[in-house]
Amino acid sequence: RKEVEQDPGPFNVPEGATVAFNCTYSNSASQSFFWYRQDCRKEPKLLMSVYSSGNEDGRFTAQLNRASQYISLLIRDSKLSDSATYLCAVNAHAGNNRKLIWGLGTSLAVNP
Amino acid sequence: GEEVAQTPKHLVRGEGQKAKLYCAPIKGHSYVFWYQQVLKNEFKFLISFQNENVFDETGMPKERFSAKCLPNSPCSLEIQATKLEDSAVYFCASSPSDRGYGTDTQYFGPGTRLTVL
Repeated sequence: RKEVEQDPGPFNVPEGATVAFNCTYSNSASQSFFWYRQDCRKEPKLLMSVYSSGNEDGRFTAQLNRASQYISLLIRDSKLSDSATYLCAVNAHAGNNRKLIWGLGTSLAVNP
Repeated sequence: GEEVAQTPKHLVRGEGQKAKLYCAPIKGHSYVFWYQQVLKNEFKFLISFQNENVFDETGMPKERFSAKCLPNSPCSLEIQATKLEDSAVYFCASSPSDRGYGTDTQYFGPGTRLTVL
């Protein structure tokens, strides 16, 4: 089982739809959680960081469920420009280990 | 600078040749990370530095890969005797520190696309 798992999609949704992605992680010691967005093999751009139960920024909401070991990303009123791959990353913080462990990403296509 | 800078953008090497990639972290950031992204989005951690000291090198294929972060110089990742499977995008990231919420957030450079022929 991979340390961080995501549904690869693709998710095809119409403009204005609400879409949610889940990401599960296996290391219960994980402390920090991140959603990044990646367009066409460019660099990952930070979307949200999650340290406690959740975070909200405009149309984007991230929720952390430590008991079930997953984080979710909700996108409301989706725009064409939201089409991208959404990557979940987890910082294990086990000892001094600060590397990010990545999911394989979820592909989103928002259609007109 | 305000962004992580990476050079070159693209690098083409024949099998067996050396490749050297550079990364300048965001000014004031203490940590530098190197990741390799191959097909199907898989990100693989290679190595991290705290200032000029190796912090975690558990991801490095030690026999051909080496990396340095020297004071007042860009960090570098060097691959001796490249192989076809080294073809990937190599991303560098930096973060401020590891204390307190938000300070472990990693910011990424634009990457170097290495093609080994």
